[in-house]
Amino acid sequence: DIQMTQSPSTLSASVGDRVTITCRASQRISSWLAWYQQKPGKAPKLLIYRASTLESGVPSRFSGSGSGTEFTLTINSLQPDDFATYYCQQYNSYSWTFGQGTKVEIK
Amino acid sequence: EVQLVESGGGLVQPGGSLRLSCAASGFDFSNYWMSWVRQAPGKGLEWVANVKKDGSEVNYLDSVKGRFTISRDDARNSLYLQMSSLRAEDTALYYCARNPRMGSFFKGFDQWGQGTLVTVSS
Repeated sequence: DIQMTQSPSTLSASVGDRVTITCRASQRISSWLAWYQQKPGKAPKLLIYRASTLESGVPSRFSGSGSGTEFTLTINSLQPDDFATYYCQQYNSYSWTFGQGTKVEIK
Repeated sequence: EVQLVESGGGLVQPGGSLRLSCAASGFDFSNYWMSWVRQAPGKGLEWVANVKKDGSEVNYLDSVKGRFTISRDDARNSLYLQMSSLRAEDTALYYCARNPRMGSFFKGFDQWGQGTLVTVSS
């Protein structure tokens, strides 16, 4: 199975900060990567697919990049609504796997 | 409005069985791959299984192969997960999720239900 490793596990930031989360795959996955946001008690929400394509309705302050084994999710000018846990997920090959999550906390 | 509503969760003893259902509305269910994704309490997300839009292909997480069966009934706009030989480590919130396919590739999980909780304990 392809392992997905996110870093950091926790990130403390302030409103207005630029935040970057990294996701590394144990094998090359081309661009078959998605990013999700999850808030406590809620279902995940798709933010980005195919590594860099913004899902409809997602604010443009979110962006994704990378291919192969290294990927990043960037949030420009962090907003109060962005404090949540973020997951990457590969869908290059079964079993589809998620990263362990990165919690973005208020500094 | 797209809606996915899961049901069927509950408390079951180790070795027992449970059938989860997901009622879909607001979109053409028959045209989408569908998945089950689970989340153990306080833990991360884990994809469990998916089924092709015509039901002709299914895929499973290795640890549930032979124990879980995913199926769909397009006439009822419903997705199912039959779970048997349940273990404590299957305890989780089980989400139904939609898998849009764009040409030859997937888009991820773009719609999710609110989940149904399965607790395996004696």
